[in-house]
Parts: sequence; structure tokens; C-alpha cells
Amino acid sequence: GENVEQHPSTLSVQEGDSAVIKCTYSDSASNYFPWYKQELGKGPQLIIDIRSNVGEKKDQRIAVTLNKTAKHFSLHITETQPEDSAVYFCAASMTGTASKLTFGTGTRLQVTL
Amino acid sequence: GAVVSQHPSRVICKSGTSVKIECRSLDFQATTMFWYRQFPKQSLMLMATSNEGSKATYEQGVEKDKFLINHASLTLSTLTVTSAHPEDSSFYICSARSGLARQETQYFGPGTRLLVL
Repeated sequence: GENVEQHPSTLSVQEGDSAVIKCTYSDSASNYFPWYKQELGKGPQLIIDIRSNVGEKKDQRIAVTLNKTAKHFSLHITETQPEDSAVYFCAASMTGTASKLTFGTGTRLQVTL
Repeated sequence: GAVVSQHPSRVICKSGTSVKIECRSLDFQATTMFWYRQFPKQSLMLMATSNEGSKATYEQGVEKDKFLINHASLTLSTLTVTSAHPEDSSFYICSARSGLARQETQYFGPGTRLLVL
């Protein structure tokens, strides 16, 4: 089955700096890679996703890159703000009726003033 | 759009009782919903896949007789924790899959915190 590794487990950046979280996956058949943000006591919120037919996707301060050859994908947050502080999870799956997400172990991001 | 709700948000029950958690997709139909369990500071653990009109598919190690799942409509799935014990205390989160084939996206509910005394 799919295995997703995520690094780092914790990340502290100063407000305004950039943050990068990296994930690798094992199953070359995976073609869908979402990122979720989870605040304390809440459910995960989808913030951006990428499918294997593209290499990069951007939404305002958030971007995701995908390297299918190396089987890794990354989340980039620019101009970080205190409200970006949360736990971020990457995930991977195939698409289709039988698909299910395999999650990384999470990255706790702390944005300091 | 793509809002998933859960009810209740938190529940405290006595050991041996059963607890039902509801998961609803509010603005889309979901033939497939998922139930996860999350322990503090850990990732999400998939418990089962809930398919509308058919039996749920449970992950290895998850007791289907203890965690009853019913997906009676395209917008509602329920998880019943039967004969709950303190070790069942956890954060339970559902998700619903939205979208057409190959473009589907999974949206999560806000979670239900269960405390069994």
C-alpha cells in the first residue's frame, strides 16, 4: 500500500518568512495530492491540492509543487502570518471509486511575531 | 460550498453505552464517506469507508461490530460506537467525497470528541 512521509514534524518561522513542508510517497500510481490544515480541536481543512497532470499550483500565498519522478511534493507558504499556525497534513491517493487518502504524520507550524 | 457537518461536536457517555455520531454533506451528494479516528498529536487513522446503499468497508484491525456504520442516504452517514469503553475516547472525524471521477475531492467535518467515563 501507499506510504507517505512528511518532514519536518515541527517548524517555527518568523512572521513574514516562508515555510516549506515536504512529503514523499511510495506508490507511483498515486495521482492526487491534497494538503490539509488542522487547527486545534477542529477537523482538517483542504487548503490546496494538485493532480499528477500538473507540476505546480498556486493560490495566493500558498503553492504546491509535485515531482512525480522523484515521488515527492511540497507545500510552500509565503509571507506567513500568525493565523497560519496549525498542523498541516499532506496526503496521497489514486482517484476512483476505491481510492482512499494516505496521510503524512503532520507538521506543526508555529509562526512567531 | 463543500461543507460537511458532524453532530454532536462533543459527547460524554458512561462505559457500556452506545453513542451515535452523524455526518452530513450539506451542499453536495456523497456516495462515499469516510470515518477517521485521531489521537492527540497524531495523524488521522482511517477506520472505514462508508458507501451509500451498501455495507461499509473496514480497515484492518477495526471491529465492525463495535463501530457500526450506516450510509442511508447520499448526504448522511452515521457511526455508532457500541458498548463504549474508556479506550474508545478519541476525536472522530468524517469526510465526504465530492466531485466527478478523477476530479474528486475529500472534505472533512469538524470532528466529534468522545469521552467515555
